[in-house]
Amino acid sequence: LAKTTQPVSMDSYEGQEVNITCSHNNIATNDYITWYQQFPSQGPRFIIQGYKTKVTNEVASLFIPADRKSSTLSLPRVSLSDTAVYYCLVGPSTDSWGKLQFGAGTQVVVTP
Amino acid sequence: DAGVTQSPTHLIKTRGQQVTLRCSPKSGHDTVSWYQQALGQGPQFIFQYYEEEERQRGNFPDRFSGHQFPNYSSELNVNALLLGDSALYLCASSLQRGGRTDTQYFGPGTRLTVL
Repeated sequence: LAKTTQPVSMDSYEGQEVNITCSHNNIATNDYITWYQQFPSQGPRFIIQGYKTKVTNEVASLFIPADRKSSTLSLPRVSLSDTAVYYCLVGPSTDSWGKLQFGAGTQVVVTP
Repeated sequence: DAGVTQSPTHLIKTRGQQVTLRCSPKSGHDTVSWYQQALGQGPQFIFQYYEEEERQRGNFPDRFSGHQFPNYSSELNVNALLLGDSALYLCASSLQRGGRTDTQYFGPGTRLTVL
């Protein structure tokens, strides 16, 4: 499984755009890139998933360069409720039966 | 459409006891995965069930076992509880499609405290 590296923490003010970059140098051809958000004592919430280029939904955008060795989650105009831990994951590949390998995630703190 | 549900929400046990946690997958999903999340850490994969069989297992001892029922719901059993088993236990459901596991959706978790 490809290992991911992301910043430990990021601080932002309300209304700003937050960009979290994740490195995954050993990503496999069949791997997707998935981001989850987690609040304390709750299960991770799926945010967005992509394979290449750019994906956008009502919550976030995901930018993936051509070499796919990194990806950037963009949260537009954050609010206090966006304070959470954000996890970047790659996989699952067809031979991994869905095993997701979580790292420590990025703690995003949004202040007024 | 109900999402992934887990029961109970909280549980307190003592060392040496056994515990059973339950999970109902999201409607339309056929695969259930279980994760353990210790305080301050990311979730760790325990195992995954598909077609009522354990398909993959993480680095957890045999004290951790599971079961999947014909309706796709699942149970996680932990025997001979240790203090270190205190954690948030998460269930995630997904759909097997084209030979791979599709996006996993997590339940709210069960907080297990072992005294």
